[in-house]
Amino acid sequence: AQSVTQLGSHVSVSEGALVLLRCNYSSSVPPYLFWYVQYPNQGLQLLLKYTTGATLVKGINGFEAEFKKSETSFHLTKPSAHMSDAAEYFCAVGPLLQGAQKLVFGQGTRLTINP
Amino acid sequence: GAGVSQTPSNKVTEKGKYVELRCDPISGHTALYWYRQSLGQGPEFLIYFQGTGAADDSGLPNDRFFAVRPEGSVSTLKIQRTERGDSAVYLCASSSAGGASTDTQYFGPGTRLTVL
Repeated sequence: AQSVTQLGSHVSVSEGALVLLRCNYSSSVPPYLFWYVQYPNQGLQLLLKYTTGATLVKGINGFEAEFKKSETSFHLTKPSAHMSDAAEYFCAVGPLLQGAQKLVFGQGTRLTINP
Repeated sequence: GAGVSQTPSNKVTEKGKYVELRCDPISGHTALYWYRQSLGQGPEFLIYFQGTGAADDSGLPNDRFFAVRPEGSVSTLKIQRTERGDSAVYLCASSSAGGASTDTQYFGPGTRLTVL
């Protein structure tokens, strides 16, 4: 089975500061990893995903994440926070097998940006 | 084009009643997924359709939950004899290209179900 742990249900940073949202996963096979963002009253939107190849993945809105197999981590970062980044962020691990489409999500991290 | 849409956006019902939640996927997407998001939690997988058939329904919590996709487009999630514990946001997602493991799932805004 696969699982995801997001460390910190709430993260607060100042505008312009570094954003770091932590995600660790458990998987017995090479995982596919995703970060989604959820703005109030909106659906989940894909920020970025790792499947194979380059371990540093760049996404939308200046976010990036690095897959570290040795640490079973896929932390999300952004060099400079903007007020519009305030939202709920979910890390997810993809299916184990081709044809099995379940995404397993972490519990989410609510990001607050202080002016 | 339009994204995934879900209706109604909010549904309040009484314990024991029957409810239907509708999902309109992105046009042309063959794969459709249902997830349930309880308060303070991440979404949990319920069921996945490839075309008209349910390819994986292992996430349905019990036999009160059922979903259909008769024409391979719109899907309806049906909940019988609702219980207070069914209260959650029900999310629908769709993806293209035959539902391969790395296809991006596009999510709708969800239906917030409240069982009184």
